[in-house]
Amino acid sequence: GAVVSQHPSWVICKSGTSVKIECRSLDFQATTMFWYRQFPKQSLMLMATSNEGSKATYEQGVEKDKFLINHASLTLSTLTVTSAHPEDSSFYICSASGLKETQYFGPGTRLLVL
Amino acid sequence: QKEVEQDPGPLSVPEGAIVSLNCTYSNSAFQYFMWYRQYSRKGPELLMYTYSSGNKEDGRFTAQVDKSSKYISLFIRDSQPSDSATYLCAMIRVNQFYFGTGTSLTVIP
Repeated sequence: GAVVSQHPSWVICKSGTSVKIECRSLDFQATTMFWYRQFPKQSLMLMATSNEGSKATYEQGVEKDKFLINHASLTLSTLTVTSAHPEDSSFYICSASGLKETQYFGPGTRLLVL
Repeated sequence: QKEVEQDPGPLSVPEGAIVSLNCTYSNSAFQYFMWYRQYSRKGPELLMYTYSSGNKEDGRFTAQVDKSSKYISLFIRDSQPSDSATYLCAMIRVNQFYFGTGTSLTVIP
């Protein structure tokens, strides 16, 4: 149980385009979802926390107009990177937690912006 | 069966004890192995990163990888109350991360 999936796993796009990444909890209801950035060999950087049906809470320094987060249901959260630029290239990893607050991590989405 | 298995604990030890945290995995194609420490309401902090079998030491932390047994460990020597956190193992295969569920550790003063 407690599986979190992400789609797509890989995306390559041109600079200036927008990219949507989905995070799904497959077998439990995720009241809270987290979005992270992962640079190679570095810690996961928390970008934002979202609760179902509420606006996301962004960490300091994360542009909420650039990284749009939607948590419309208890099993789905989306991260849209708007007007992506090469410096946005990174792994984006989501995690989800239910009532017990244990976080279950997704496999990540690798974004490459050309 | 999950690809990465980690005992969630909780694990409680007295200050100064040696802590052993473990993960097993089922796919021999995993290439990179990491250990993260996560404090409540914070992002996971990378502690150790390795890609080969054997031991890697950094201060009080030692990461051990046994690819033949598909087993990785993190040892914490002289544990401190500040080590109280959730420890996550993670592995990478074909650009995909596979996380353990995390082990909750409490070091009692």
